[in-house]
Amino acid sequence: AQSVTQLGSHVSVSEGALVLLRCNYSSSVPPYLFWYVQYPNQGLQLLLKYTSAATLVKGINGFEAEFKKSETSFHLTKPSAHMSDAAEYFCAVTSSNTGNQFYFGTGTSLTVIP
Amino acid sequence: NAGVTQTPKFQVLKTGQSMTLQCAQDMNHNSMYWYRQDPGMGLRLIYYSASEGTTDKGEVPNGYNVSRLNKREFSLRLESAAPSQTSVYFCASSGPTSPNEKLFFGSGTQLSVL
Repeated sequence: AQSVTQLGSHVSVSEGALVLLRCNYSSSVPPYLFWYVQYPNQGLQLLLKYTSAATLVKGINGFEAEFKKSETSFHLTKPSAHMSDAAEYFCAVTSSNTGNQFYFGTGTSLTVIP
Repeated sequence: NAGVTQTPKFQVLKTGQSMTLQCAQDMNHNSMYWYRQDPGMGLRLIYYSASEGTTDKGEVPNGYNVSRLNKREFSLRLESAAPSQTSVYFCASSGPTSPNEKLFFGSGTQLSVL
């Protein structure tokens, strides 16, 4: 079975501060990991994905995530928060043996304080 | 280049009524999905279709039926709506068959069951 856990349902940062959103996964086989962002009243958009190539993955809008197998983590970071980063962020996992199913975390709502 | 199109965007039903949510994608994807999104619970998979002519249950299939009408279209039907089905519903697609392909999401259907 596969799952992801997102620690912290709400995170607040000041504009210009570091953004760190946590995701830990559980998978018995090599995982494919994703971060998605959801702006109000919209569907989800892909930020970045890990597919067993480089462990440090760069995505859109200055976000990046590092795959750490020893810690079963895939935390999302951005060096300097911008007001436009305020949104809901979801971590997701899938693998070659899940029949194309993607498993999502419960989400982290990011607030950016001016 | 529409991507994934869902209709309707909003719907209010009375308990016991039926309705069908429509979804179509124009990216020639093999896999299509229906998710529901509830506060604090992230996205949960209702049904998915790995290819035309096949459908499989996800985490929360009870009370729903699906039809993969052709490669483009994947509909979700509520035969007898219940208040517990009040949620935001998202259709998604991915392709081709590799699990490391990202999901493309529709803009969602906000459903209220009174």
